[in-house]
Amino acid sequence: DQQVKQNSPSLSVQEGRISILNCDYTNSMFDYFLWYKKYPAEGPTFLISISSIKDKNEDGRFTVFLNKSAKHLSLHIVPSQPGDSAVYFCAATDSWGKLQFGAGTQVVVTP
Amino acid sequence: EAQVTQNPRYLITVTGKKLTVTCSQNMNHEYMSWYRQDPGLGLRQIYYSMNVEVTDKGDVPEGYKVSRKEKRNFPLILESPSPNQTSLYFCASAGHSGGSPLHFGNGTRLTVT
Repeated sequence: DQQVKQNSPSLSVQEGRISILNCDYTNSMFDYFLWYKKYPAEGPTFLISISSIKDKNEDGRFTVFLNKSAKHLSLHIVPSQPGDSAVYFCAATDSWGKLQFGAGTQVVVTP
Repeated sequence: EAQVTQNPRYLITVTGKKLTVTCSQNMNHEYMSWYRQDPGLGLRQIYYSMNVEVTDKGDVPEGYKVSRKEKRNFPLILESPSPNQTSLYFCASAGHSGGSPLHFGNGTRLTVT
């Protein structure tokens, strides 16, 4: 059963504006959350992560927010650039190696 | 260069003909795993391995086998492929399980007719 959900299959944003990607999960045993970016014909690449003991993690233009009580996390990209056009996957893992991904959100950054 | 190498990149086969997709990493990672990507379903974990000789089922293990006889290699075996195993497959490795970021291979596009 799908324990990690990305309800927006696509997102279109103007260059320079903020992109906000959302992810919800149902399993309270997840203790680490990661975001991956994927271009066509390539494997996903790691973007940013957050531990369940934190509520925010920032790396350059990318910030991930975690709301444990709502079982919700979001990825903010500011400012959005054309090279950010890709599919973004949210992932959640427990301490025993099982990892679940969301279905992905296709981001298109327009000039 | 640190990488995860999968072979082949493309594979077309017929129902029932055993096949193996190889995966190798050169980063001395303990954790390795296999995923399949299908439209609308994202990436689903097939099997994972926390270390040599330790493997566990992911969410969709039916019809697949794996082995981890040495640290660097983690082959995916389809003993009797069926058309519903037509998919894009990714191998990945990480320093350890938990929150360690995964390094992915470039994928294997498998078609079973």
